Amino acid sequence: EVRLLESGGGSVQPGGSLRLTCATSGFTFTNFAMGWVRQAPGKGLEWVSGVSGSASTTSYAESVKGRFTISRDNSQNTVSLQMNTLRAEDTAVYYCAKDAGDSGNYFTYWGQGIQVTVSS
Amino acid sequence: DIQMTQSPSSLSASVGDRVTITCRASQSISSYLNWYQQKPGKAPKLLIYIASALQRGVSSRFSGSGSGTDFTLTITSLQPEDFATYYCQQSFSTPLTFGGGTKVEIK
Repeated sequence: EVRLLESGGGSVQPGGSLRLTCATSGFTFTNFAMGWVRQAPGKGLEWVSGVSGSASTTSYAESVKGRFTISRDNSQNTVSLQMNTLRAEDTAVYYCAKDAGDSGNYFTYWGQGIQVTVSS
Repeated sequence: DIQMTQSPSSLSASVGDRVTITCRASQSISSYLNWYQQKPGKAPKLLIYIASALQRGVSSRFSGSGSGTDFTLTITSLQPEDFATYYCQQSFSTPLTFGGGTKVEIK
């Protein structure tokens, strides 16, 4: 059974940092790209970032480029999102998602989501 | 960036109705279009990928069609568990983008 479990969310002041981690199990981790998708309160889905199975390729939404960094540890089957210089508009539920393949760019499994709140 | 526009943004329907949701891309995306269902407080669930392929385990009430810029999600014989918000997503190029969502409510 595929499982994705996010951790590391919480409340932070504007300008602060958080690191989200997604622990995975139930599939051959290195065979699949992973991504992060967020959803602001009452809003739709927004893709944030993705990383290939080998970690050789990363991509970001323009709204987070230069502030967020995605990484993965293929020995631990985890993917992380380091979020720096956080803004109020980064407040959202963040979902970790498993790609259909190494570059399918659509998501077959999702974590339950974790709340990030940026507020003074 | 490729913009995805869904219509309608919401609709009211009754159990047993046939429902159609449309999604338009700002440029051709071939068949790289996916559909998700999201219920309140839950993660999205993949329904349809590559425009018309039914994800394993998803009811055959759901079907997708289209290519290029215009796509459709159809739900035949709407069931109580189908009341949710539906999103399209293009997988043609990064940044990946989603439509604004269509909320299907009970009439």
